[in-house]
Parts: sequence; C-alpha cells; structure tokens
Amino acid sequence: ILNVEQSPQSLHVQEGDSTNFTCSFPSSNFYALHWYRWETAKSPEALFVMTLNGDEKKKGRISATLNTKEGYSYLYIKGSQPEDSATYLCASLNYGQNFVFGPGTRLSVLP
Amino acid sequence: DGGITQSPKYLFRKEGQNVTLSCEQNLNHDAMYWYRQDPGQGLRLIYYSQIVNDFQKGDIAEGYSVSREKKESFPLTVTSAQKNPTAFYLCASSPGGSSIGQPQHFGDGTRLSIL
Repeated sequence: ILNVEQSPQSLHVQEGDSTNFTCSFPSSNFYALHWYRWETAKSPEALFVMTLNGDEKKKGRISATLNTKEGYSYLYIKGSQPEDSATYLCASLNYGQNFVFGPGTRLSVLP
Repeated sequence: DGGITQSPKYLFRKEGQNVTLSCEQNLNHDAMYWYRQDPGQGLRLIYYSQIVNDFQKGDIAEGYSVSREKKESFPLTVTSAQKNPTAFYLCASSPGGSSIGQPQHFGDGTRLSIL
C-alpha cells in the first residue's frame, strides 16, 4: 500500500490569518490527486482534482498547487474564517493502485 | 437532491454477530466504495465496485463482504471474522469508467460499536 502523508496533523490559526498545509504522495505512476474538506458531522466534500505537474487550482480563498515530480501538493487558505474549520484530506491515485488517503490536517480557526 | 444515503448512523453489534451497513446513491454513478476510518489514520479502502455485479477487494477486505446487485446499492456486511470492527464507515461513489479520476461523493457515515 502506497503511503500518503499530510502535515501538520493539526493547526490552530486566528481569524484572518493565511495558512497552508502539505500532502506528500508517491510520485511514481501518478495519476491524480484529490483534496477534500471534511467538516464535523458532515460528509467529505471535494475541493480539487489535480492531475498535471504545476497545476494550480483556486476556489474562493482556497487554492492548491501540485508537484508530481517530487510528490507533494500544498493547500493554501487566505484570510481564514471560522467556517474554514475542518479536516482537510488529500488522496492520491496512482496507476495500478486504489485511492490512498492521507490522515488529514485538522484546521481550527479561532474567532 | 442527488446524494448518498448511509444507514443507520449508529450501529451496535454483539460479538459473533454479522451486521449489514446500507449505502444507496441516486447519482447514477457506476463506481461505489467502502472506507473505514480509525483514529489518527486516513480512510482505508475495504471494497469497491466499478460496475453492477462486480466488486474488488480493497486494502483491508478481510472480515467484510459486499454485494452489488443494483447500481444504486452497495451494502457492506461486517462479519464475525472481523476482529476489530469498531470504526467509522464511509461509503462513496464516483462516475467511474473513463472518469476514474473524478472526485468521490461521500455519505454521512455509520459508526459501528461492539457491545
């Protein structure tokens, strides 16, 4: 089973701060990387699907970058708001493998 | 609204009993998945199905069984052979086929506990 890692495990920031976290995944036979947001008592929701090296995706104040050669993706949140509090999951899909999820980064935005 | 429905939300099992977790989707998706989450770990794939009447073992299939008799339904049975069934179970679906890289849509999950 391929390993997908996320750091940090948890993060507390003040409202208005910008923040970022990392997803590391196997670079060999890479096919796609997904980012999901999982709010408490809700189901995970897809944020981004990324496939190409150098991809940058943006949705409102949240953006992500992808480096498939070195096997990492960054998720950025600009001007964090309390409603951004959630666990952020990444999942890597490599050829010949199933989706492998990282353990997540739990973000708490303090008002 | 289209979505995935898992039931029940909470489930208690006595040791030695089999229990079945329900997952229904009305998104017309071909692919369906079952994941298990344990504290501090990522979602781990139990079983998946890319098409009706076909399913494949995931990374932790031992002690579980599934069926896919209808496109919209993918029930998971936790058998007595699963030695540590206490966990949170998530069902997901995606368009599948040539859309293999498309994001998955998740249900709200079932929390299974042993009495």
